[in-house]
Amino acid sequence: AQKVTQAQTEISVVEKEDVTLDCVYETRDTTYYLFWYKQPPSGELVFLIRRNSFDEQNEISGRYSWNFQKSTSSFNFTITASQVVDSAVYFCALSLIYNQGGKLIFGQGTELSVKP
Amino acid sequence: EAQVTQNPRYLITVTGKKLTVTCSQNMNHEYMSWYRQDPGLGLRQIYYSMNVEVTDKGDVPEGYKVSRKEKRNFPLILESPSPNQTSLYFCASRSRTGVTEAFFGQGTRLTVV
Repeated sequence: AQKVTQAQTEISVVEKEDVTLDCVYETRDTTYYLFWYKQPPSGELVFLIRRNSFDEQNEISGRYSWNFQKSTSSFNFTITASQVVDSAVYFCALSLIYNQGGKLIFGQGTELSVKP
Repeated sequence: EAQVTQNPRYLITVTGKKLTVTCSQNMNHEYMSWYRQDPGLGLRQIYYSMNVEVTDKGDVPEGYKVSRKEKRNFPLILESPSPNQTSLYFCASRSRTGVTEAFFGQGTRLTVV
């Protein structure tokens, strides 16, 4: 069975601090995709990144970076110099391509609060 | 603009009164799904469809129905809503290749009293 665990339920930081959101996944499949989505207070889900299981390169996009390590089954997300606008719930998700119509298996979410 | 449109955004209803949440996508995606989001549980798949007239149960299908008569539309039907179906619902679409992200609707916050 597949599973995604986000052990941090809530994180609170002060603006300009760096923060890392942890994501650990479980699957026996060798081909899979990992995602991060952001859910701001308005409620919609905003896609941040997709990574396939064959690509372990880390990625940086502005203040956001992602560290994918197959050896530890982790796909962690770091926000550098956090801002108030980063306050949101962040979800990590796993997908097996042909499973249940492209189903995403979500973690429980991490609520990030960035205080001024 | 690529988008998934859900309606309504907010809905308060009474136990037992049938309701339908509509979902439409403009990306010609084969795959569509409904998810519900509950605190501490993340999002869980309710039903999915892999193409027109092809639907199947997800992880939490009890109390829900769906249909896929056209490729772009995937309505979620609650024939007899109960308070435990109070939740935030998302419709999603995804290409058949499965390599892209899922595109989500804006969400429907449903309260059953």
